[in-house]
Amino acid sequence: GAVVSQHPSWVICKSGTSVKIECRSLDFQATTMFWYRQFPKQSLMLMATSNEGSKATYEQGVEKDKFLINHASLTLSTLTVTSAHPEDSSFYICSARPLSLDSGEQFFGPGTRLTVL
Amino acid sequence: GQNIDQPTEMTATEGAIVQINCTYQTSGFNGLFWYQQHAGEAPTFLSYNVLDGLEEKGRFSSFLSRSKGYSYLLLKELQMKDSASYLCAVGDSNYQLIWGAGTKLIIKP
Repeated sequence: GAVVSQHPSWVICKSGTSVKIECRSLDFQATTMFWYRQFPKQSLMLMATSNEGSKATYEQGVEKDKFLINHASLTLSTLTVTSAHPEDSSFYICSARPLSLDSGEQFFGPGTRLTVL
Repeated sequence: GQNIDQPTEMTATEGAIVQINCTYQTSGFNGLFWYQQHAGEAPTFLSYNVLDGLEEKGRFSSFLSRSKGYSYLLLKELQMKDSASYLCAVGDSNYQLIWGAGTKLIIKP
């Protein structure tokens, strides 16, 4: 149980285009999902916390107009990188926290590798 | 402020034992997690401690002392596949995970 999927697994796009990444909790409901970014050889960096039915909470330094987050249901959150540039190339990972779990444990998706040319 | 410290890198020999330490200072405490992350992959859950003491799970054990703000992950009978980064994370008062920078573990034959 507690499986999280992400789509796509990898994407290559041209500079200036927008890319949407989906994060789904497959066998549980998640009121809260998290979006992380990880550059090579660096640790996870939390970008934003996504709550179902409300606006996402962005970490300091993360542009909310550039990284659009939508959490329309208890099993789906999307991250859209708008007008992507080469410096946005990174590994984007989502995680989800089950409704039923008090521990705060997060289950991670497999990640999406974005390359912007 | 919130702070989690763990060593940047450690090296150990196949078959040996290694202990990865983590110290933390957070606003509130709702448990400490250890995750394993292989290069190019997402983190996978290893252990969760919310009470003081040792939790053993096969070759991996995790210890917590809340009064000292300290935890360690103990890996026994090291295998080459254990080469990875090990991330310490603490759940704060809002059940948000505060992440350490990770410890890269290198296993040598």
